[in-house]
Amino acid sequence: DGGITQSPKYLFRKEGQNVTLSCEQNLNHDAMYWYRQDPGQGLRLIYYSQIVNDFQKGDIAEGYSVSREKKESFPLTVTSAQKNPTAFYLCASSTTDANTEAFFGQGTRLTVV
Amino acid sequence: GENVEQHPSTLSVQEGDSAVIKCTYSDSASNYFPWYKQELGKGPQLIIDIRSNVGEKKDQRIAVTLNKTAKHFSLHITETQPEDSAVYFCAASGSSNTGKLIFGQGTTLQVKP
Repeated sequence: DGGITQSPKYLFRKEGQNVTLSCEQNLNHDAMYWYRQDPGQGLRLIYYSQIVNDFQKGDIAEGYSVSREKKESFPLTVTSAQKNPTAFYLCASSTTDANTEAFFGQGTRLTVV
Repeated sequence: GENVEQHPSTLSVQEGDSAVIKCTYSDSASNYFPWYKQELGKGPQLIIDIRSNVGEKKDQRIAVTLNKTAKHFSLHITETQPEDSAVYFCAASGSSNTGKLIFGQGTTLQVKP
């Protein structure tokens, strides 16, 4: 089945620890995105990548890092510098055409304990 | 910068009534406007989209209208059913022509049986 897969679904982290969220897609999409979702704030863009080995900061990149070593994979690391990391994280992918649908994963809920 | 405003933030209707969600966007270069439905604990899924060369699009009980002059677009759901209860997001394509989407803040729709 073609799609975009995020893992794990739930993640718990102790304060001060880095944690990496996985995102894999087999849709052959060039572009991939990471969003953070908090209640009442919609989807805020963290990072995006339009091609392998290249990525750009979104609106709330501070405290996060990404890599794009393979077309299929776009992992997100939440670092200890992120002051309020508890949130629902969504990964998406699309073609790089202008009028194109973004396909979302099922999300990872990160909780800092 | 690019911005999408969505109203209302919450909407409660009786089963069988209609629901309308409205969005405005700031970038006149935007030309693609998708709507996503997000069920609890899941990723958003595309339900309908519209491009700037049309003013209205319908798909069964769902319709979207676009007014490019006023820079606003709306989602209309008729004959609502309890399974329509979810969070709905509007989005607009960014001016960078890369497939990047700017999302509204979301509307929580509750359909009461």
